[in-house]
Amino acid sequence: DVQMTQSLSYLAASPGESVSISCKASKSISNYLAWYQQKPGEAYKLLIYSGSTLQSGTPSRFSGSGSGTDFTLTIRSLEPEDFGLYYCQQYYEKPLTFGSGTKLEIK
Amino acid sequence: EVQLQESGPGLVKPSQSLSLTCSVTGYSITSNYWGWIRKFPGNKMEWMGYISYSGSTSYNPSLKSRISITRDTSKNQFFLQLNSVTTEDTATYYCARSGVATDWGPGTMVTVSS
Repeated sequence: DVQMTQSLSYLAASPGESVSISCKASKSISNYLAWYQQKPGEAYKLLIYSGSTLQSGTPSRFSGSGSGTDFTLTIRSLEPEDFGLYYCQQYYEKPLTFGSGTKLEIK
Repeated sequence: EVQLQESGPGLVKPSQSLSLTCSVTGYSITSNYWGWIRKFPGNKMEWMGYISYSGSTSYNPSLKSRISITRDTSKNQFFLQLNSVTTEDTATYYCARSGVATDWGPGTMVTVSS
């Protein structure tokens, strides 16, 4: 199985700041990488797929980068509603696998 | 708008079978892929498997002997059955329009306990 590593399990930042969440794959997955956001009481939301393509409805302050094994989700100019859990997922090969999640708290 | 809703028992006894239903509105399950994902206490996520638009299935090898995903196209529902559950199957279970999960249900918590 492809192991997905999110090295930061917790991150706190203030509104207006920029943050980056990293995700590393145990082998090359090309750009078959998605990012999801989960907020309490809400359904998971797909933010980005193909490593850098914004899903319809994702605010432009979100961006994704990377290919191969190293990927980054960047949120520029944080808004208070950006708190939540962020997961990466590879869909290069089955079984699809997820990172361990990064909890973003707004200071 | 696609909406998914999981339903099923919240408590299952060890060694029994876990059965969940995902009801889909706004989109036919005869298109696309439809899957199950679970989140364990502590936030670990696991993709369990999916059923395709044609009815073919793909399962996580870690579950292959215990899992079955089926569907009822007349009701636009698909189902998860997980056999011989243990306490390690305690999780929140999500159905989703899979593989890149564009739409998710809200999740249903299932506890395995005697």
